[in-house]
Amino acid sequence: AQKVTQAQTEISVVEKEDVTLDCVYETRDTTYYLFWYKQPPSGELVFLIRRNSFDEQNEISGRYSWNFQKSTSSFNFTITASQVVDSAVYFCALDPNQAGTALIFGKGTTLSVSS
Amino acid sequence: GAGVSQSPRYKVAKRGQDVALRCDPISGHVSLFWYQQALGQGPEFLTYFQNEAQLDKSGLPSDRFFAERPEGSVSTLKIQRTQQEDSAVYLCASSSRVGRAMDEQFFGPGTRLTVL
Repeated sequence: AQKVTQAQTEISVVEKEDVTLDCVYETRDTTYYLFWYKQPPSGELVFLIRRNSFDEQNEISGRYSWNFQKSTSSFNFTITASQVVDSAVYFCALDPNQAGTALIFGKGTTLSVSS
Repeated sequence: GAGVSQSPRYKVAKRGQDVALRCDPISGHVSLFWYQQALGQGPEFLTYFQNEAQLDKSGLPSDRFFAERPEGSVSTLKIQRTQQEDSAVYLCASSSRVGRAMDEQFFGPGTRLTVL
């Protein structure tokens, strides 16, 4: 089965705290892609990162970092020193490397950052 | 604007009405996807176009749903005889690459459909 699980439905933090959003995926494919998208209240999904299954190197982009571990089928996302503007719904998604299919999304994690 | 646009942003329909939702992808983007996002859920795939060809419609929930992209640019998602369970946000996304979802998809703001 192709599936993405985001077990955390809602997370609330205070500004400047670090927060990690969990993502666990299932796929039969050996080649696949993983994504994180941010959905602010405006509704548009904003692309954050794409990672292919052969690249397990962790990535850092400013306050954002991603930890990809094939052994545990996880692709976790950490925001360091969170800010109020980080408040949004965050989706992890899987492209299972099948022609003609689209992204398989998790149910999302709602992050609320208060000042 | 350079992004994906969708109209209307909000649509209220009475049960049984037909609705048409429009998507203007980024100019030149070959691939176009429609997703349905129910409240509190992640987007779920509906259908995929490569230029004007509808290559995958496996996600359309019933034959009341119909999508077209006749000239390979603007796309319309039509829902006939709307039901309350059709209430959702309908997202359109486009991509410059063909066939695969692996490349970054650019999403529009969505159309929030409420069926009374």
